[in-house]
Amino acid sequence: KNQVEQSPQSLIILEGKNCTLQCNYTVSPFSNLRWYKQDTGRGPVSLTIMTFSENTKSNGRYTATLDADTKQSSLHITASQLSDSASYICVVKWRAAGNKLTFGGGTRVLVKP
Amino acid sequence: DARVTQTPRHKVTEMGQEVTMRCQPILGHNTVFWYRQTMMQGLELLAYFRNRAPLDDSGMPKDRFSAEMPDATLATLKIQPSEPRDSAVYFCASGLETNTGPGTDTQYFGPGTRLTVL
Repeated sequence: KNQVEQSPQSLIILEGKNCTLQCNYTVSPFSNLRWYKQDTGRGPVSLTIMTFSENTKSNGRYTATLDADTKQSSLHITASQLSDSASYICVVKWRAAGNKLTFGGGTRVLVKP
Repeated sequence: DARVTQTPRHKVTEMGQEVTMRCQPILGHNTVFWYRQTMMQGLELLAYFRNRAPLDDSGMPKDRFSAEMPDATLATLKIQPSEPRDSAVYFCASGLETNTGPGTDTQYFGPGTRLTVL
Protein backbone atom coordinates (compact mmCIF):
# COMPACT_ATOMS: atom_id res chain seq x y z
CA LYS A 1 0.00 0.00 0.00
CA ASN A 2 1.29 3.45 -0.90
CA GLN A 3 1.90 5.40 2.27
CA VAL A 4 3.57 8.58 3.48
CA GLU A 5 4.72 8.69 7.11
CA GLN A 6 5.93 11.85 8.79
CA SER A 7 7.88 12.31 11.98
CA PRO A 8 7.78 13.69 14.52
CA GLN A 9 4.05 14.36 14.90
CA SER A 10 4.82 17.57 16.72
CA LEU A 11 7.85 19.61 17.62
CA ILE A 12 8.60 22.57 19.87
CA ILE A 13 11.72 24.62 19.17
CA LEU A 14 13.15 27.91 20.35
CA GLU A 15 13.24 30.87 18.02
CA GLY A 16 16.50 31.01 16.11
CA LYS A 17 17.16 27.27 16.30
CA ASN A 18 17.19 24.85 13.39
CA CYS A 19 14.99 21.78 13.02
CA THR A 20 14.51 18.89 10.62
CA LEU A 21 11.28 17.14 9.74
CA GLN A 22 11.20 13.67 8.23
CA CYS A 23 9.05 12.04 5.57
CA ASN A 24 9.26 8.37 4.61
CA TYR A 25 7.20 7.05 1.71
CA THR A 26 6.46 3.77 0.04
CA VAL A 27 4.79 5.27 -3.03
CA SER A 28 5.88 3.67 -6.27
CA PRO A 29 6.24 4.59 -9.05
CA PHE A 30 7.13 8.03 -7.85
CA SER A 31 6.62 11.29 -9.72
CA ASN A 32 7.36 14.13 -7.33
CA LEU A 33 7.41 15.01 -3.66
CA ARG A 34 6.09 18.23 -2.23
CA TRP A 35 6.32 19.97 1.11
CA TYR A 36 3.48 22.26 2.14
CA LYS A 37 3.21 24.69 5.04
CA GLN A 38 -0.23 25.14 6.56
CA ASP A 39 -0.90 27.93 9.03
CA THR A 40 -3.77 27.43 11.44
CA GLY A 41 -7.08 28.21 9.77
CA ARG A 42 -5.58 28.57 6.29
CA GLY A 43 -5.01 26.45 3.22
CA PRO A 44 -1.65 24.75 2.60
CA VAL A 45 1.00 26.72 0.75
CA SER A 46 3.58 24.99 -1.41
CA LEU A 47 7.17 25.27 -0.16
CA THR A 48 9.06 22.94 -2.49
CA ILE A 49 8.46 20.40 -5.23
CA MET A 50 11.15 17.85 -6.13
CA THR A 51 11.10 15.33 -8.95
CA PHE A 52 12.71 11.91 -8.60
CA SER A 53 15.92 13.24 -10.19
CA GLU A 54 16.41 16.11 -7.73
CA ASN A 55 17.91 15.63 -4.29
CA THR A 56 17.70 19.10 -2.81
CA LYS A 57 15.59 22.21 -3.22
CA SER A 58 15.59 25.41 -1.20
CA ASN A 59 13.03 28.12 -0.60
CA GLY A 60 14.51 30.79 1.65
CA ARG A 61 15.17 29.24 5.06
CA TYR A 62 13.48 25.99 4.03
CA THR A 63 15.60 23.26 2.44
CA ALA A 64 14.12 19.96 1.33
CA THR A 65 16.19 16.90 0.53
CA LEU A 66 15.19 13.73 -1.22
CA ASP A 67 16.82 10.29 -1.26
CA ALA A 68 14.89 8.27 -3.82
CA ASP A 69 16.88 5.12 -3.00
CA THR A 70 15.83 5.04 0.64
CA LYS A 71 12.49 6.76 -0.09
CA GLN A 72 13.12 9.47 2.46
CA SER A 73 12.77 13.22 2.40
CA SER A 74 13.53 15.84 5.00
CA LEU A 75 12.60 19.47 5.43
CA HIS A 76 15.17 21.59 7.26
CA ILE A 77 14.18 24.92 8.75
CA THR A 78 17.11 27.22 9.44
CA ALA A 79 17.09 29.98 12.07
CA SER A 80 13.44 29.42 12.93
CA GLN A 81 11.09 32.35 13.34
CA LEU A 82 7.80 32.62 15.21
CA SER A 83 6.03 32.68 11.84
CA ASP A 84 7.33 29.17 11.13
CA SER A 85 4.78 27.84 13.64
CA ALA A 86 2.53 25.75 11.40
CA SER A 87 1.86 22.24 10.18
CA TYR A 88 4.19 20.88 7.51
CA ILE A 89 2.75 18.30 5.17
CA CYS A 90 4.67 15.93 2.89
CA VAL A 91 2.81 14.88 -0.26
CA VAL A 92 3.96 12.30 -2.79
CA LYS A 93 2.60 12.08 -6.31
CA TRP A 94 2.39 8.74 -8.08
CA ARG A 95 3.62 8.41 -11.62
CA ALA A 96 0.51 6.42 -12.43
CA ALA A 97 -2.90 6.75 -13.98
CA GLY A 98 -4.68 9.74 -12.52
CA ASN A 99 -1.50 11.09 -10.89
CA LYS A 100 -2.78 10.37 -7.40
CA LEU A 101 -1.46 12.25 -4.41
CA THR A 102 -0.73 10.55 -1.10
CA PHE A 103 -0.55 12.80 1.95
CA GLY A 104 1.43 12.47 5.13
CA GLY A 105 -0.24 13.24 8.43
CA GLY A 106 1.84 16.36 8.93
CA THR A 107 4.24 17.62 11.59
CA ARG A 108 3.01 20.42 13.81
CA VAL A 109 5.83 22.84 14.62
CA LEU A 110 5.62 25.39 17.41
CA VAL A 111 8.35 28.02 17.62
CA LYS A 112 8.65 29.65 21.03
CA PRO A 113 10.37 32.97 21.78
CA ASP B 1 -2.51 38.97 -6.53
CA ALA B 2 -4.42 35.99 -7.97
CA ARG B 3 -5.92 33.60 -5.46
CA VAL B 4 -8.40 30.79 -5.19
CA THR B 5 -11.63 31.90 -3.57
CA GLN B 6 -14.10 29.70 -1.77
CA THR B 7 -17.60 30.35 -0.49
CA PRO B 8 -18.97 30.10 2.07
CA ARG B 9 -16.09 30.27 4.54
CA HIS B 10 -18.21 28.70 7.27
CA LYS B 11 -21.37 26.62 7.07
CA VAL B 12 -23.42 25.11 9.88
CA THR B 13 -26.28 22.89 8.84
CA GLU B 14 -28.46 20.11 10.12
CA MET B 15 -28.15 16.49 9.19
CA GLY B 16 -30.04 15.69 6.01
CA GLN B 17 -29.71 19.13 4.48
CA GLU B 18 -28.04 19.80 1.14
CA VAL B 19 -24.74 21.66 1.22
CA THR B 20 -23.13 23.34 -1.78
CA MET B 21 -19.59 24.71 -1.64
CA ARG B 22 -18.19 26.88 -4.41
CA CYS B 23 -14.70 27.56 -5.66
CA GLN B 24 -13.32 30.05 -8.13
CA PRO B 25 -9.94 28.82 -9.41
CA ILE B 26 -7.14 31.14 -10.44
CA LEU B 27 -7.76 32.45 -13.96
CA GLY B 28 -5.77 30.45 -16.49
CA HIS B 29 -5.32 27.37 -14.32
CA ASN B 30 -6.43 24.10 -15.91
CA THR B 31 -6.69 21.83 -12.87
CA VAL B 32 -9.01 21.97 -9.87
CA PHE B 33 -8.87 19.78 -6.79
CA TRP B 34 -11.26 19.28 -3.89
CA TYR B 35 -9.80 18.14 -0.57
CA ARG B 36 -11.26 17.38 2.82
CA GLN B 37 -9.27 17.84 6.02
CA THR B 38 -10.09 16.50 9.46
CA MET B 39 -7.99 16.10 12.57
CA MET B 40 -8.26 12.32 12.36
CA GLN B 41 -7.67 11.76 8.63
CA GLY B 42 -5.58 14.75 7.62
CA LEU B 43 -5.88 15.91 4.01
CA GLU B 44 -7.77 13.64 1.61
CA LEU B 45 -8.25 14.17 -2.11
CA LEU B 46 -11.93 14.00 -3.05
CA ALA B 47 -11.95 15.01 -6.72
CA TYR B 48 -9.63 16.22 -9.45
CA PHE B 49 -10.53 18.02 -12.68
CA ARG B 50 -8.35 18.89 -15.64
CA ASN B 51 -9.72 21.22 -18.30
CA ARG B 52 -13.10 20.89 -16.53
CA ALA B 53 -13.22 17.13 -17.06
CA PRO B 54 -13.34 14.93 -13.95
CA LEU B 55 -10.23 12.74 -13.89
CA ASP B 56 -10.41 11.21 -10.47
CA ASP B 57 -13.19 11.17 -7.92
CA SER B 58 -12.30 7.87 -6.31
CA GLY B 59 -11.86 9.55 -2.93
CA MET B 60 -15.41 10.83 -2.88
CA PRO B 61 -18.41 8.98 -1.38
CA LYS B 62 -20.47 8.71 -4.55
CA ASP B 63 -23.81 8.18 -2.90
CA ARG B 64 -23.94 11.65 -1.37
CA PHE B 65 -21.14 13.75 -2.84
CA SER B 66 -20.95 15.26 -6.31
CA ALA B 67 -18.41 17.60 -7.88
CA GLU B 68 -18.86 19.61 -11.05
CA MET B 69 -17.28 22.39 -13.08
CA PRO B 70 -20.09 24.14 -14.94
CA ASP B 71 -17.53 26.52 -16.42
CA ALA B 72 -13.83 27.34 -16.14
CA THR B 73 -14.43 29.90 -13.40
CA LEU B 74 -16.57 27.80 -11.07
CA ALA B 75 -16.22 24.45 -9.35
CA THR B 76 -18.86 23.10 -6.98
CA LEU B 77 -18.90 20.36 -4.37
CA LYS B 78 -22.30 19.24 -3.23
CA ILE B 79 -23.30 16.98 -0.35
CA GLN B 80 -26.84 15.63 -0.29
CA PRO B 81 -27.91 14.56 2.27
CA SER B 82 -25.27 15.79 4.71
CA GLU B 83 -24.26 13.75 7.76
CA PRO B 84 -22.39 14.70 10.97
CA ARG B 85 -19.34 12.72 9.78
CA ASP B 86 -19.04 15.15 6.85
CA SER B 87 -17.98 17.88 9.29
CA ALA B 88 -14.55 19.00 8.11
CA VAL B 89 -12.71 21.77 6.31
CA TYR B 90 -13.09 21.48 2.55
CA PHE B 91 -10.31 22.97 0.45
CA CYS B 92 -10.30 23.77 -3.22
CA ALA B 93 -6.99 24.10 -5.04
CA SER B 94 -6.12 25.02 -8.60
CA GLY B 95 -3.01 24.57 -10.67
CA LEU B 96 -1.54 24.61 -14.13
CA GLU B 97 -0.46 21.24 -15.47
CA THR B 98 1.72 21.29 -18.54
CA ASN B 99 3.41 18.57 -20.53
CA THR B 100 6.90 19.75 -19.64
CA GLY B 101 7.44 17.38 -16.78
CA PRO B 102 6.00 15.86 -13.60
CA GLY B 103 7.21 18.57 -11.26
CA THR B 104 5.60 21.59 -12.81
CA ASP B 105 2.20 21.60 -11.21
CA THR B 106 2.15 23.70 -8.05
CA GLN B 107 -1.28 23.73 -6.45
CA TYR B 108 -2.66 26.89 -4.94
CA PHE B 109 -5.12 26.35 -2.15
CA GLY B 110 -8.14 28.43 -1.23
CA PRO B 111 -8.92 29.42 2.37
CA GLY B 112 -11.33 26.50 2.84
CA THR B 113 -14.95 26.06 3.87
CA ARG B 114 -15.44 24.91 7.44
CA LEU B 115 -18.52 22.69 7.46
CA THR B 116 -20.31 21.63 10.62
CA VAL B 117 -23.19 19.20 10.31
CA LEU B 118 -25.26 18.93 13.48
